[in-house]
Amino acid sequence: ILNVEQSPQSLHVQEGDSTNFTCSFPSSNFYALHWYRWETAKSPEALFVMTLNGDEKKKGRISATLNTKEGYSYLYIKGSQPEDSATYLCAFRNYGGATNKLIFGTGTLLAVQP
Amino acid sequence: ETGVTQTPRHLVMGMTNKKSLKCEQHLGHNAMYWYKQSAKKPLELMFVYNFKEQTENNSVPSRFSPECPNSSHLFLHLHTLQPEDSALYLCASSQVTLAGGPNEQFFGPGTRLTVL
Repeated sequence: ILNVEQSPQSLHVQEGDSTNFTCSFPSSNFYALHWYRWETAKSPEALFVMTLNGDEKKKGRISATLNTKEGYSYLYIKGSQPEDSATYLCAFRNYGGATNKLIFGTGTLLAVQP
Repeated sequence: ETGVTQTPRHLVMGMTNKKSLKCEQHLGHNAMYWYKQSAKKPLELMFVYNFKEQTENNSVPSRFSPECPNSSHLFLHLHTLQPEDSALYLCASSQVTLAGGPNEQFFGPGTRLTVL
């Protein structure tokens, strides 16, 4: 059974703080790692898709890194703002898995206090 | 309408009712998905349709019955559900190519289902 773990489960920070969270996934047969941002009552929104070991992606104040050999990805938010409050999901896809199948972690819930 | 839409957004039903959830994607994608999210659990894939053909049934009970009449629409027919089926049901779509690719999925906002 393939398992994706995210930590911490929740995080409370002050506006302006920088923060990061972790996604751990199986390191064998890696194909792609996705990060999504999910605000309450809205659709999950794709942030990044990463496929190569050592990939770094950036979108504004949010960035992500990927280590496929050890099976982890970090998501960083610089200078957190209240509008960053959301659940951040990662999802893993492997070679040889069922067609199109993404395996999700339980997410990290981020709350940014003004 | 843009992206992926789902109706209804909220649904309350009794265990003997029959209801359907609807999903529509306006992105020209060729694959559609149903996911279930229960409290404190990860998003759980239920069904995958590629080019209108069901290619994945993730051991879902037969009281959930999917239907994909065309590449833009996906339904989830519900009958004789149990209270433990109460959850958020999300629809997603993606563009799948023979060359592969990371399969970025685009999600709808979900239907919050409560079974009494």
